[in-house]
Amino acid sequence: QKEVEQNSGPLSVPEGAIASLNCTYSDRGSQSFFWYRQYSGKSPELIMSIYSNGDKEDGRFTAQLNKASQYVSLLIRDSQPSDSATYLCAVKRGNNRLAFGKGNQVVVIP
Amino acid sequence: GAGVSQSPSNKVTEKGKDVELRCDPISGHTALYWYRQSLGQGLEFLIYFQGNSAPDKSGLPSDRFSAERTGGSVSTLTIQRTQQEDSAVYLCASSQDGLAGILGTRTYEQYFGPGTRLTVT
Repeated sequence: QKEVEQNSGPLSVPEGAIASLNCTYSDRGSQSFFWYRQYSGKSPELIMSIYSNGDKEDGRFTAQLNKASQYVSLLIRDSQPSDSATYLCAVKRGNNRLAFGKGNQVVVIP
Repeated sequence: GAGVSQSPSNKVTEKGKDVELRCDPISGHTALYWYRQSLGQGLEFLIYFQGNSAPDKSGLPSDRFSAERTGGSVSTLTIQRTQQEDSAVYLCASSQDGLAGILGTRTYEQYFGPGTRLTVT
């Protein structure tokens, strides 16, 4: 079982719509979760961190965490062409390293 | 403030040569991580430094890989006798890994540098 799984395949959303990304993780004891955005040819950029069950909002981004079900999600409201990127879900492991999913490509169509 | 910096940004080397990659973390960050990202692969953990503690080398793929961190700041990742499968983007990240903010919330947020693209021919 992979440490972090993200559903594959690019996600195409019209400009102004909501993009929804999901991530599941295998270690029930995980406590710290992160979403990174990675533009093509660039390094990952931290956009959200979440540590407690529930929702955390930051601008147009909302992260949702459900530890009982072992999933983390990211919502991007009012999607803009500049949101077109790959979004990486990451989970902190015991030695503080991050385990990453393979990422979800989001394409916002003007 | 300044973010994580890495050098060189690109490195092309011949198979069998040694290479050194450098990382300068965010000032004040005690934790430093090396990851690599290969085409079609996810981000793979390599090594972790925390303060003056012994590094966690559990992610290094072979004994050709080594890293050091001098003075608790700058780190160098060395790959000896490079192989074509070593071609990847090598990413460095740093983290405060401690209490932050007025509530003293423990944070482990890692911030990445721009990476070094290594190509072994």
